[in-house]
Amino acid sequence: TQLLEQSPQFLSIQEGENLTVYCNSSSVFSSLQWYRQEPGEGPVLLVTVVTGGEVKKLKRLTFQFGDARKDSSLHITAAQPGDTGLYLCAGAGSGGYQKVTFGTGTKLQVIP
Amino acid sequence: DARVTQTPRHKVTEMGQEVTMRCQPILGHNTVFWYRQTMMQGLELLAYFRNRAPLDDSGMPKDRFSAEMPDATLATLKIQPSEPRDSAVYFCASASVAQPQHFGDGTRLSIL
Repeated sequence: TQLLEQSPQFLSIQEGENLTVYCNSSSVFSSLQWYRQEPGEGPVLLVTVVTGGEVKKLKRLTFQFGDARKDSSLHITAAQPGDTGLYLCAGAGSGGYQKVTFGTGTKLQVIP
Repeated sequence: DARVTQTPRHKVTEMGQEVTMRCQPILGHNTVFWYRQTMMQGLELLAYFRNRAPLDDSGMPKDRFSAEMPDATLATLKIQPSEPRDSAVYFCASASVAQPQHFGDGTRLSIL
């Protein structure tokens, strides 16, 4: 069974601060997705990374896939209250996107 | 934007009653997933279908839960009889070989 551990589990920061969320596994993934979930809604896909060492930027969010494709990080610069939510990483195996393993989640609160 | 549609959004019923949740996947997606999300357990995979055939339902309590895909535009998840411990948010997601999972907004289920 592939497991994805996220850290930290909870994070409460002031607006304007930077933060990093980590997603770690002992398994190799063919690709990794990051989702954000807001209260009362389903998870929304933010990004997919597929190549070891790949870095993708989405405005103030920077996503990195580890060289060995076992881990990933999400860095948010100058966090804003709109970034508040549950962040989930999800790793896809050799079967592609059609089945993924979800991480344990990181709940982020950005205080104005 | 194409969306996964789930109905109902909220359901409150008494224990012992049958509950049916419905999902319309994104057109062209051939894989449909059912998840359950709780504070304690996070996001758990219950079952998934590919091309309407059930591939894995090992996450589902077999004695009371059942999942079907009567056609490519409809997936159902039934609980009979329902119990208070089934209270959770149930999500449907759809995907294809080339498209990561996209989630619906969930059915919030409360069993009294």
